[in-house]
Amino acid sequence: DTGVSQDPRHKITKRGQNVTFRCDPISEHNRLYWYRQTLGQGPEFLTYFQNEAQLEKSRLLSDRFSAERPKGSFSTLEIQRTEQGDSAMYLCASSFTGGAYEQYFGPGTRLTVT
Amino acid sequence: AQSVTQLGSHVSVSEGALVLLRCNYSSSVPPYLFWYVQYPNQGLQLLLKYTSAATLVKGINGFEAEFKKSETSFHLTKPSAHMSDAAEYFCALGGGADGLTFGKGTHLIIQP
Repeated sequence: DTGVSQDPRHKITKRGQNVTFRCDPISEHNRLYWYRQTLGQGPEFLTYFQNEAQLEKSRLLSDRFSAERPKGSFSTLEIQRTEQGDSAMYLCASSFTGGAYEQYFGPGTRLTVT
Repeated sequence: AQSVTQLGSHVSVSEGALVLLRCNYSSSVPPYLFWYVQYPNQGLQLLLKYTSAATLVKGINGFEAEFKKSETSFHLTKPSAHMSDAAEYFCALGGGADGLTFGKGTHLIIQP
């Protein structure tokens, strides 16, 4: 399977704990995106990388959120001091460079903060 | 600013009937438009995309969409609904900021 993979698929954590998610993009793709999707809503853009460079961050990405893509391959998204409002599906996508190229999405990580 | 509006949070059709899901967009730059489908607890799967070539775009599973610049619309259609089409459908806009801007989604219900 050469699609986008995400790990873990589900995460339950207590408020105040830190969590980290991993995304492995399609290997030929140099762009990697993170989105957040809450119940009944469409995905909302958080940030994206071109190779290892983080080029854009949404205002939704508070200081508690940090993303890395250290070698231009996989990426991690960390949330520090989780809050109940962080409960959502976190989606990763990858693509070739350029807005005309479609983004391929992974299965998502569902975070529940109790 | 870019935005996407999907008219109708829920659409119900009978099996075998025409499916029409509506999407209107607002963009200050030439748009790239996409339709994605999402099944429960899964990621998004691309159905089709418009990137300024043909205005009528054919996608997977018998879906197609027509780009109408004058109406700023990109509605999704399928001539004959199948039970397996029941899912959440998202219209998305690219071409400005590099992340996609999604609509709120339309839940398609297929009645037997």
